[in-house]
Amino acid sequence: SQKIEQNSEALNIQEGKTATLTCNYTNYSPAYLQWYRQDPGRGPVFLLLIRENEKEKRKERLKVTFDTTLKQSLFHITASQPADSATYLCALEGGNTGKLIFGQGTTLQVKP
Amino acid sequence: DTAVSQTPKYLVTQMGNDKSIKCEQNLGHDTMYWYKQDSKKFLKIMFSYNNKELIINETVPNRFSPKSPDKAHLNLHINSLELGDSAVYFCASSRAQGQTPQFFGPGTRLTVL
Repeated sequence: SQKIEQNSEALNIQEGKTATLTCNYTNYSPAYLQWYRQDPGRGPVFLLLIRENEKEKRKERLKVTFDTTLKQSLFHITASQPADSATYLCALEGGNTGKLIFGQGTTLQVKP
Repeated sequence: DTAVSQTPKYLVTQMGNDKSIKCEQNLGHDTMYWYKQDSKKFLKIMFSYNNKELIINETVPNRFSPKSPDKAHLNLHINSLELGDSAVYFCASSRAQGQTPQFFGPGTRLTVL
């Protein structure tokens, strides 16, 4: 069955460092991959979308890579700030359906 | 300006009751969704509508019935509530069906006693 795995343990880093979050998937051939941020008590907020034919996407301090051979996406936040502390969710979409399958999320804690 | 809004934000009710959650989006989007986030924080799609037409209908008990009176609204009605229905329900919308970001509402925390 389709499976998406994100680091279940919280990631703690020092302010100013680069945070790297991992999303691995099996038994799936997604056409698109999206990353969302979720703060406690709030709905997920869209961050980046990357297509299967794109290797890398950037937006300000955020960078996403998508390796369909390794079946993995990496999400980087450079020069991290305490305000970046949140849960980050990756989501896969197989085609033009809008059906997103979410990972369980990784909680990032950036310490000042 | 609220993009995707849901009411109520909290819903506490007894087992066996029937309840509804309402969702509205003012983004002019064509597609709307309902998701369920359980206590382990897994976010799982339940339904999607595109231009008022049901597109995605996941394996959800038929006690759950979505209704889309128009493109801007997607309501969720739940009959005969069970303890296991306790979760946070999120509404979302997107410009088109697939390949686009989804915009989520603030969530409705449903507690069934």
